[in-house]
Amino acid sequence: ETGVTQTPRHLVMGMTNKKSLKCEQHLGHNAMYWYKQSAKKPLELMFVYNFKEQTENNSVPSRFSPECPNSSHLFLHLHTLQPEDSALYLCASSQEQRDYNEQFFGPGTRLTVL
Amino acid sequence: QKEVEQNSGPLSVPEGAIASLNCTYSDRGSQSFFWYRQYSGKSPELIMFIYSNGDKEDGRFTAQLNKASQYVSLLIRDSQPSDSATYLCAVKGGSQGNLIFGKGTKLSVKP
Repeated sequence: ETGVTQTPRHLVMGMTNKKSLKCEQHLGHNAMYWYKQSAKKPLELMFVYNFKEQTENNSVPSRFSPECPNSSHLFLHLHTLQPEDSALYLCASSQEQRDYNEQFFGPGTRLTVL
Repeated sequence: QKEVEQNSGPLSVPEGAIASLNCTYSDRGSQSFFWYRQYSGKSPELIMFIYSNGDKEDGRFTAQLNKASQYVSLLIRDSQPSDSATYLCAVKGGSQGNLIFGKGTKLSVKP
């Protein structure tokens, strides 16, 4: 596989469930990102990892917990979510977390919280 | 609060016309500027980036940057129905160089 992949593509969960989103990049990049995209709102940066170190937590509630075991994999662990957390969650990667590096996006996970 | 503003549209143009998409940003220290295209139900894909004042052309697309006015635009010449999508302006800068996105402009090209 090439590019950035995400699984699952769709997820429906109850507020008491625990689930995880997975992202994998096959581009040899060193920076990985989680974004949230809600209707009528701009893409919101959630977390950034650069060389496996978390460099950004954009005031994300603790019910979202990221994990980056290596430069190719990124997880987003979800627990006790709220209905307003329903959104498209996008993973992206870039060569490094720097001004001029293009970010490549995965296809996203469409999350619905009941 | 760093912001990127775009007219949400929809912007409707006839096939073959020039589509003009505009974006303003608040952080004067921003260094690089990106245009992403997002088809409905799909993820964003990069179509243009620009770092220097002036115009940058790539095929039917031209990005224009005016740092003094904090303004960046995207022109699409000879618009095609396949160009119908939401166009996201993104600005990078600051100490971490993270992308800040606008809400996007929905473009509809009518045959």
